[in-house]
Amino acid sequence: EIVLTQSPGTLSLSPGERATLSCRASQRVSSSNLAWYQRKPGQVLRLLIYGASSRATGIPDRFSGSGSGTDFTLTISRLEPEDFAVYYCQQYGNSPYTFGQGTNLEIK
Amino acid sequence: QVQLQESGPGLVKPSETLSLTCTVSGGSISSYYWSWIRQPPGKGLEWIGYTYYSGGTNYNPSLKSRVTITVDTSKNQFSLKLSSVTAADTAVYHCARGGVTLDSWGQGTLVTVSS
Repeated sequence: EIVLTQSPGTLSLSPGERATLSCRASQRVSSSNLAWYQRKPGQVLRLLIYGASSRATGIPDRFSGSGSGTDFTLTISRLEPEDFAVYYCQQYGNSPYTFGQGTNLEIK
Repeated sequence: QVQLQESGPGLVKPSETLSLTCTVSGGSISSYYWSWIRQPPGKGLEWIGYTYYSGGTNYNPSLKSRVTITVDTSKNQFSLKLSSVTAADTAVYHCARGGVTLDSWGQGTLVTVSS
């Protein structure tokens, strides 16, 4: 089973700043089969990125994903107030599909 | 826009079978994969498995002996059954559209396993 480790656990930033979230896999994730999700309080999880770098439908271009192999990054170029949430990575290259423990992006 | 809603008992006794249903509205259940994911209190998300609308399935090996996911296209619903539950199965259970990437999620429903 591939274990995904997200860092940092909590990231405190201000609106307008750039956010960089990391997801490291215990083994190579095949074909960059990695996704990112956002969870806001009281809302359903939302798919942001799939295939490591492709934005899902309707996702603003301030969100970008990068990486391959075992190291992946979600970048939010300029934080908007609505971006403060919990972010999860997920690998779907090897069964069982697994999730990271999440990064809590909070307002500084 | 498709919406998903989980339903089922919030309390299940140990050794019994947990049964949940996900109702899909705003779109057809056909031509998609459908998944279940859970999150125990204070822990991370765990993939349970998925089904295709026409019936093929793929389950997490750690749960495979106890899990069944089925689809009812006539009701636009899919279901989860998890047998022989223990306290370790206490979690918020989410349904979602997709088999690998999950592009629509339900809010989740808390199921507690306790006598």
